Amino acid sequence: KAGVTQTPRYLIKTRGQQVTLSCSPISGHRSVSWYQQTPGQGLQFLFEYFSETQRNKGNFPGRFSGRQFSNSRSEMNVSTLELGDSALYLCASSLTGPQYEQYFGPGTRLTVT
Amino acid sequence: GQQLNQSPQSMFIQEGEDVSMNCTSSSIFNTWLWYKQDPGEGPVLLIALYKAGELTSNGRLTAQFGITRKDSFLNISASIPSDVGIYFCAGRPPNSGGSNYKLTFGKGTLLTVNP
Repeated sequence: KAGVTQTPRYLIKTRGQQVTLSCSPISGHRSVSWYQQTPGQGLQFLFEYFSETQRNKGNFPGRFSGRQFSNSRSEMNVSTLELGDSALYLCASSLTGPQYEQYFGPGTRLTVT
Repeated sequence: GQQLNQSPQSMFIQEGEDVSMNCTSSSIFNTWLWYKQDPGEGPVLLIALYKAGELTSNGRLTAQFGITRKDSFLNISASIPSDVGIYFCAGRPPNSGGSNYKLTFGKGTLLTVNP
């Protein structure tokens, strides 16, 4: 069974631009969660989607948004990028919800210059 | 919100040594998960624990769900160089449903193994 895949793996953007990251969950998993990981803050929860609906959201500004498609694939978007948005963005999938076993993708390394 | 205190923050050991790390919380959890993350990669699930007192092994790794439900530990026996990485604990609080569909993660333990 294929694992969680994320594209692209690396991305360099400039301040003010926007970016879209993609995540394909493990086949059969309907819950997709997104995390931001930085050396100082660790893993911080962004949001979780289940059946195309956002069920939970972390404490991030509205510049961070996401969506989920009918095939459970998910995208997250960051608008008006800031230098502090440089991070590893991780996607994780689980069968029914992130409160159970989550399986992570390799992440997208975003660098904002 | 709930927080997990993971310790130690970092460890530097010799190959062949045993390692122990733990996570504690001031509140109870219903599930404990342990992950390992290699540089530039996503965390990989190592062990999942679902009941207080549960002791589970995965090769050289052993993890336990504390009786009080407020802690968990991970042991690695006979460490090898490929054990290098960051180890994270994660916990699911009770009543994780409704608007609380998420895990709480510790800050991680950085393990370095000297060959």
